[in-house]
Amino acid sequence: EAAVTQSPRSKVAVTGGKVTLSCHQTNNHDYMYWYRQDTGHGLRLIHYSYVADSTEKGDIPDGYKASRPSQENFSLILELASLSQTAVYFCASRTENTEVFFGKGTRLTVV
Amino acid sequence: QQQVRQSPQSLTVWEGETAILNCSYEDSTFDYFPWYWQFPRESPALLIAIRPVSNKKEDGRFTIFFNKREKKLSLHITDSQPGDSATYFCAASMGTNTGKLTFGDGTVLTVKP
Repeated sequence: EAAVTQSPRSKVAVTGGKVTLSCHQTNNHDYMYWYRQDTGHGLRLIHYSYVADSTEKGDIPDGYKASRPSQENFSLILELASLSQTAVYFCASRTENTEVFFGKGTRLTVV
Repeated sequence: QQQVRQSPQSLTVWEGETAILNCSYEDSTFDYFPWYWQFPRESPALLIAIRPVSNKKEDGRFTIFFNKREKKLSLHITDSQPGDSATYFCAASMGTNTGKLTFGDGTVLTVKP
């Protein structure tokens, strides 16, 4: 099965600080995604990438940057963390036949 | 305007009953509809998916019924088991190009033994 590994699994960050969430996939998938999930809600797309060194904005990109330095790695960067960015963040990659596999998630708490 | 809507927000059924979860969407260009289930503190996992070329997709106890004209679909879980208790998300995407998924807010299913 597809393997998507996220780190860290949980993090507490201070308001105004910089946060980097990392994602690594070993599936040789072209597409990778970052979603956030708020309690009691579905997932919303932040950024995605279909090739190394290129990223695209998703539905809620404000306050986030993304970086895809290689096919295997995709990072999400919060330059100035805010309380409203407290959420669970999921990285995912996609197979050729459209199936999307999610990592185990990173629980981010901004205080 | 929410692109994918789910109802009910929560549903409780007894073991052995059929659970019916509903989903509707706005954008007629959506052409791939996966259902994901998510257990507490875990990531969503693909359960079953359908494309509009079909109006029904079956996988064991799980069946998707799709109505393209009304832009509605439903997930039927027959012979529900306590282990089916989870949050179920309906999602949609446009084409096989970007694979970007738009999720509904989910239905929390509880199956009582």
